[in-house]
Amino acid sequence: EAQVTQNPRYLITVTGKKLTVTCSQNMNHEYMSWYRQDPGLGLRQIYYSMNVEVTDKGDVPEGYKVSRKEKRNFPLILESPSPNQTSLYFCASSRHRDSQQPQHFGDGTRLSIL
Amino acid sequence: GIQVEQSPPDLILQEGANSTLRCNFSDSVNNLQWFHQNPWGQLINLFYIPSGTKQNGRLSATTVATERYSLLYISSSQTTDSGVYFCAVPLTGGGNKLTFGTGTQLKVEL
Repeated sequence: EAQVTQNPRYLITVTGKKLTVTCSQNMNHEYMSWYRQDPGLGLRQIYYSMNVEVTDKGDVPEGYKVSRKEKRNFPLILESPSPNQTSLYFCASSRHRDSQQPQHFGDGTRLSIL
Repeated sequence: GIQVEQSPPDLILQEGANSTLRCNFSDSVNNLQWFHQNPWGQLINLFYIPSGTKQNGRLSATTVATERYSLLYISSSQTTDSGVYFCAVPLTGGGNKLTFGTGTQLKVEL
């Protein structure tokens, strides 16, 4: 089954404790991205990757890192999480960066930073 | 950037009723997707519909790109249809970054 898998689905942690949210897709997609969803602000793109070893900032990259060492994986790293990063996070992928390609979303990761 | 507005913002239906959700966008697009965010937060792909009409069971969607709007029809609504419905379009010249609409919060009651 074609899917985008995120882990964990839920996480409660404390300020400053490094964490990684994993994202993996099995569709051989080139383009992957991370969004966060906040009440009143909608979904905003954090980072995106057009292919292996090619990443770039989205609209709200501060406090986040990403890497794309393999085509299927695109982890989101919070080196020193803070409470303002409490949010619902989504990973998405599409065949390539062409805007005519539909995007597929993971089930979301709900992060609470205390 | 492109503006994406959805209407109505909130909708309450009795089970079995039909509804139409609207998505207006401010610039021409070559892609449009409809999503359902269920009460658990999952974003479910409903349609990829840059133009024309598609149907999937009780749901159908129509996009009229030249007039910059898309419609999502829900027929014979069920309580499991509850949640938030988003349309999303790619940023022009911005690869595949999606701009999401404001959403329609739907509640289907027995």
